[in-house]
Amino acid sequence: ETGVTQTPRHLVMGMTNKKSLKCEQHLGHNAMYWYKQSAKKPLELMFVYSLEERVENNSVPSRFSPECPNSSHLFLHLHTLQPEDSALYLCASSQGAYSNYGYTFGSGTRLTVV
Amino acid sequence: GESVGLHLPTLSVQEGDNSIINCAYSNSASDYFIWYKQESGKGPQFIIDIRSNMDKRQGQRVTVLLNKTVKHLSLQIAATQPGDSAVYFCADLYGNNRLAFGKGNQVVVIP
Repeated sequence: ETGVTQTPRHLVMGMTNKKSLKCEQHLGHNAMYWYKQSAKKPLELMFVYSLEERVENNSVPSRFSPECPNSSHLFLHLHTLQPEDSALYLCASSQGAYSNYGYTFGSGTRLTVV
Repeated sequence: GESVGLHLPTLSVQEGDNSIINCAYSNSASDYFIWYKQESGKGPQFIIDIRSNMDKRQGQRVTVLLNKTVKHLSLQIAATQPGDSAVYFCADLYGNNRLAFGKGNQVVVIP
């Protein structure tokens, strides 16, 4: 366990469903991130939160909606997804946004859109 | 734009041998580099990092080499073990302190 916990580990959802991914960190970090990992592609940064404020949104479709209620929790709300959104969604945290000391990742949520 | 990539998609190595994974980066302004290891079913885990004012850094069984002249980074794993089987990513810090990741390189350890 890295100190960053993601739930659920696996999720299968239909294109009309609404679901949420949850991330929790116990490291005292104040920045959190959502990444998308697709097969044979580099990790894609989706959202960055620093001190609970969204500081970056990398042109992510509006069907992905992040929420950061406090510095320990991060959610990714999903609705009307497409099959190409199937991927591993990784949460990470760091001490300070864009930390010079790298990020701590969770184990990810494997999402399948059917 | 920033490009960080790995030369070889898959590396098969005999247990006990040394492994070398290579990575090229394109942004000469990058000043911090990290190697991550991702095992099946897990998120990337930090292995070792190096700053641009260094050309070599050693950890436990791992060594990272940085050649800024040719913008090349490598990870050496000594006495490779079955637990080293994973995908290895290089990443560099650029621009507004963003981490850019390479595509990953699969290492398969043959017992």
